[in-house]
Amino acid sequence: GAVVSQHPSWVICKSGTSVKIECRSLDFQATTMFWYRQFPKQSLMLMATSNEGSKATYEQGVEKDKFLINHASLTLSTLTVTSAHPEDSSFYICSARTRDSYEQYFGPGTRLTVT
Amino acid sequence: AQTVTQSQPEMSVQEAETVTLSCTYDTSENNYYLFWYKQPPSRQMILVIRQEAYKQQNATENRFSVNFQKAAKSFSLKISDSQLGDTAMYFCAFMKLWGETSGSRLTFGEGTQLTVNP
Repeated sequence: GAVVSQHPSWVICKSGTSVKIECRSLDFQATTMFWYRQFPKQSLMLMATSNEGSKATYEQGVEKDKFLINHASLTLSTLTVTSAHPEDSSFYICSARTRDSYEQYFGPGTRLTVT
Repeated sequence: AQTVTQSQPEMSVQEAETVTLSCTYDTSENNYYLFWYKQPPSRQMILVIRQEAYKQQNATENRFSVNFQKAAKSFSLKISDSQLGDTAMYFCAFMKLWGETSGSRLTFGEGTQLTVNP
């Protein structure tokens, strides 16, 4: 149980275009989802926290107009990178948690390459 | 704000031997959880072990155990009988406990790359 999926696993897009990454909890209801960014050989940096049905809370320094997060249902959250640029190339990881548990379940990550 | 420090960027160990990874943290909170996560080359984050701060007994999970020193704010991970599959990046993480679990989030250390040599 407690499986989180991400789609796509790897995406290449051209500079200036937008790309959407999906995060799904497959066998539980995720009241809270988290989005992280990870550069090679570095740690995970929290970008934003989203609660189902509410606006996401972004960490300081994260552009909310560039990284649009939607958590419209208890099993799906999406991260849209708008007007992507090469510096947005990174590994994006989501995690999910239920209302009554502190434990976060991580997705397998999405590698974004902007050319 | 909480900070988590892992002072060993890289470590290596021979197969079947024991290795200890260090982690220190800084917080003024009294109620929190500590975690060790493993990130193998696949980059899937895997929970290795967790420790509740209110528990004095050190957590153990098979070959993995921790040395939790609350007063010193130290949380080291010991891996016994190291296996080739233990090769991974290991992250120490801190979570402050709120009244609502939805408010809690993880703060990660910089990571330690562990290589197990045959």
